[in-house]
Amino acid sequence: GESVGLHLPTLSVQEGDNSIINCAYSNSASDYFIWYKQESGKGPQFIIDIRSNMDKRQGQRVTVLLNKTVKHLSLQIAATQPGDSAVYFCAENIRGSARQLTFGSGTQLTVLP
Amino acid sequence: DGGITQSPKYLFRKEGQNVTLSCEQNLNHDAMYWYRQDPGQGLRLIYYSQIVNDFQKGDIAEGYSVSREKKESFPLTVTSAQKNPTAFYLCASSVAGTQITGELFFGEGSRLTVL
Repeated sequence: GESVGLHLPTLSVQEGDNSIINCAYSNSASDYFIWYKQESGKGPQFIIDIRSNMDKRQGQRVTVLLNKTVKHLSLQIAATQPGDSAVYFCAENIRGSARQLTFGSGTQLTVLP
Repeated sequence: DGGITQSPKYLFRKEGQNVTLSCEQNLNHDAMYWYRQDPGQGLRLIYYSQIVNDFQKGDIAEGYSVSREKKESFPLTVTSAQKNPTAFYLCASSVAGTQITGELFFGEGSRLTVL
């Protein structure tokens, strides 16, 4: 079946630099996307979401970009901090689906001092 | 404060034993979900429930059972039929139904280890 996937399993960045985490999806019926952050041994926490009628959405230090043409999603974190070290998941929802979200395998972000 | 509470946080079980993981939410959400997470992997859906007294199988329901007798509670039983039950289990809830997309709220997880 179709699923959400990530380009890179790990990403290391210097503290203060910007981070970009990528995600590819293959189901054109997907109309809602979420980024979650999961710290070790904890449950995922919501970061930001975007609907398919938008290309970009900004939050506090985070921006999500959606390119429907190539079915690509990215999460940008500005001025990355040590507390940003975690696994980041993208998830998609298919319109009309009662199952809610389908998750990718995640990217481990490590912030270097 | 509103949220989702999972218990126990850590659980050990011997092979052949059934165990039940608790999930309680006070967010007044209609929908609740159970996911399994293995090391280095994403979340896989076990069961979900959109309303009291109703639930559906997810992608990996074999060896698991659930009940939804109350809106706020959605316990998961890991039965002896589950061949590889050692994993991190996450419960979630949402306000969303079939036609509304929305955020999932997660509990802190329960780590089950089979000895």
